[in-house]
Amino acid sequence: AQSVAQPEDQVNVAEGNPLTVKCTYSVSGNPYLFWYVQYPNRGLQFLLKYITGDNLVKGSYGFEAEFNKSQTSFHLKKPSALVSDSALYFCAVRDPYGNNRLAFGKGNQVVVIP
Amino acid sequence: DGGITQSPKYLFRKEGQNVTLSCEQNLNHDAMYWYRQDPGQGLRLIYYSQIVNDFQKGDIAEGYSVSREKKESFPLTVTSAQKNPTAFYLCASSFTLGEADTQYFGPGTRLTVL
Repeated sequence: AQSVAQPEDQVNVAEGNPLTVKCTYSVSGNPYLFWYVQYPNRGLQFLLKYITGDNLVKGSYGFEAEFNKSQTSFHLKKPSALVSDSALYFCAVRDPYGNNRLAFGKGNQVVVIP
Repeated sequence: DGGITQSPKYLFRKEGQNVTLSCEQNLNHDAMYWYRQDPGQGLRLIYYSQIVNDFQKGDIAEGYSVSREKKESFPLTVTSAQKNPTAFYLCASSFTLGEADTQYFGPGTRLTVL
């Protein structure tokens, strides 16, 4: 089955510093990867996705993600973190053998310290 | 959250009661989904629907039921058979079940069993 792993429960970063949220995946075939962000008591907001092509994907709110096939990773990055980036971040992968539904990681809490 | 509405935002249920969560979308999407979110567990798929009058069970369908009588609407009923229904419920939609299609989420309903 397709799956993603988000190895860190919480990521703490100082405001203005680079932010990285890690995600590794396991798929059979081509990976279709997604990042979402969730603020407290809110739904998930789509940030970006990798389908094919350029390994560096740019998304909303200044976020980008780097697809690395050899390391089976899809890490989310932001060059300069803001306090407002404090939220829960989810990585997800399409499951082509499960009718293309999404398999989510458990999420990473990001805390940006002023 | 735009384009997908969920109601109510908060819902309280007594033991043994059935409750229905509403999900409506105006994005002209064919596919709709219901997820359950518990702390530290990511999102788990309950039911999904590819088209009107058709739906499939997800990973945790026991104790839940759905209907898809209209393209815009995909209500979820939490029945008394669901042993631990207290959770945050998220509805999502996408154009199709295609592997590249992005799922967009509603704001969620928080269900608490008293």
